[in-house]
Amino acid sequence: SQQGEEDPQALSIQEGENATMNCSYKTSINNLQWYRQNSGRGLVHLILIRSNEREKHSGRLRVTLDTSKKSSSLLITASRAADTASYFCATDRMDSSYKLIFGSGTRLLVRP
Amino acid sequence: NAGVTQTPKFRVLKTGQSMTLLCAQDMNHEYMYWYRQDPGMGLRLIHYSVGEGTTAKGEVPDGYNVSRLKKQNFLLGLESAAPSQTSVYFCASSLTGEGKAFFGQGTRLTVV
Repeated sequence: SQQGEEDPQALSIQEGENATMNCSYKTSINNLQWYRQNSGRGLVHLILIRSNEREKHSGRLRVTLDTSKKSSSLLITASRAADTASYFCATDRMDSSYKLIFGSGTRLLVRP
Repeated sequence: NAGVTQTPKFRVLKTGQSMTLLCAQDMNHEYMYWYRQDPGMGLRLIHYSVGEGTTAKGEVPDGYNVSRLKKQNFLLGLESAAPSQTSVYFCASSLTGEGKAFFGQGTRLTVV
């Protein structure tokens, strides 16, 4: 079964609003990553947060990690229509040989 | 610097036919991965490799074989294609198992 599960599955917001996506995972991890996928294209890496970090920022992105709850959140502030995409979390498990496992994704629609 | 290149981009197979998907990376990465993505779903790991000459099973390895004879190439083979293997296949590579992964643009495979 997949390691990560994103919530919500789909999110529709107005341009300028903030978008928050959540990811839960099942086993201890080394780090957690977020990726973005535009329709029909390959995934693009957004941000990586290590298991000993609690929060990380990159431009309009803010990621938090709570290892006690085995969850992470991705916040996109001041969203733009160009942010419309699917967002996936990915983890590599501490007990494995670093295979990168993806969640099921959140489809974000930003309405102009 | 092309990054990760997948060939072919599209392919239609008849049930029972065989084919090989090629993934090539020019970043001297150790780790390479093959994923499949079905409509509305996340990526599921088929096989992966942690270095030249090594391969390992992922979440959904049945019906697929892989080889990593050269560090820069990771081949995915379907010996006897089935309609259930209709999917979009993504290859990815990373320098380390914990780090950022770079994705190819995908191969859309239809088995009729």
